[in-house]
Amino acid sequence: GQQVMQIPQYQHVQEGEDFTTYCNSSTTLSNIQWYKQRPGGHPVFLIQLVKSGEVKKQKRLTFQFGEAKKNSSLHITATQTTDVGTYFCYGGTSYGKLTFGQGTILTVHP
Amino acid sequence: NAGVTQTPKFQVLKTGQSMTLQCAQDMNHNSMYWYRQDPGMGLRLIYYSASEGTTDKGEVPNGYNVSRLNKREFSLRLESAAPSQTSVYFCASRRSSDEKLFFGSGTQLSVL
Repeated sequence: GQQVMQIPQYQHVQEGEDFTTYCNSSTTLSNIQWYKQRPGGHPVFLIQLVKSGEVKKQKRLTFQFGEAKKNSSLHITATQTTDVGTYFCYGGTSYGKLTFGQGTILTVHP
Repeated sequence: NAGVTQTPKFQVLKTGQSMTLQCAQDMNHNSMYWYRQDPGMGLRLIYYSASEGTTDKGEVPNGYNVSRLNKREFSLRLESAAPSQTSVYFCASRRSSDEKLFFGSGTQLSVL
């Protein structure tokens, strides 16, 4: 079955440092979505990428979709304590199967 | 506009007991999903309903059953709970397969 691998599993940073999480798929994706889950909360949609090589920005967050549409990344510039949580990618295929990556747990030390 | 509502928020069961987790959405979404979340395992799909009247197995369906009661409601049933089913359960919905998911607030289930 389709696999979406996400690394790293954990990331501890000092406030102000950058953070990146990566997703890799074994198959070509039609789209990829990113979600954030605050501690004790539920996943909340951040963004969707559809086009090969697409780059989108939301303030300090930069999302990329690879040229081959098999990988994606989320980069946070100058982390803040409000960035704490688990970040998930969610990959979709043209035949409808979608799966979550295992998530990256981000801890930010003030 | 409540979004996706799940009940209960917390539940403790003994091994062998049964229970039903309820989920309702008020966004007129076609597709509904049940996920479980375990430490280090991410979100794993249990069952989903692509549209009213249909249900399909996800990655980890064993020990669960679902009912898509109508377009709004999608319930998850544990017939004979096992300790391995201790988890946080999330219901989610969306209008179509290429749109974003909306999640409920989750049910924390412990099976002793």
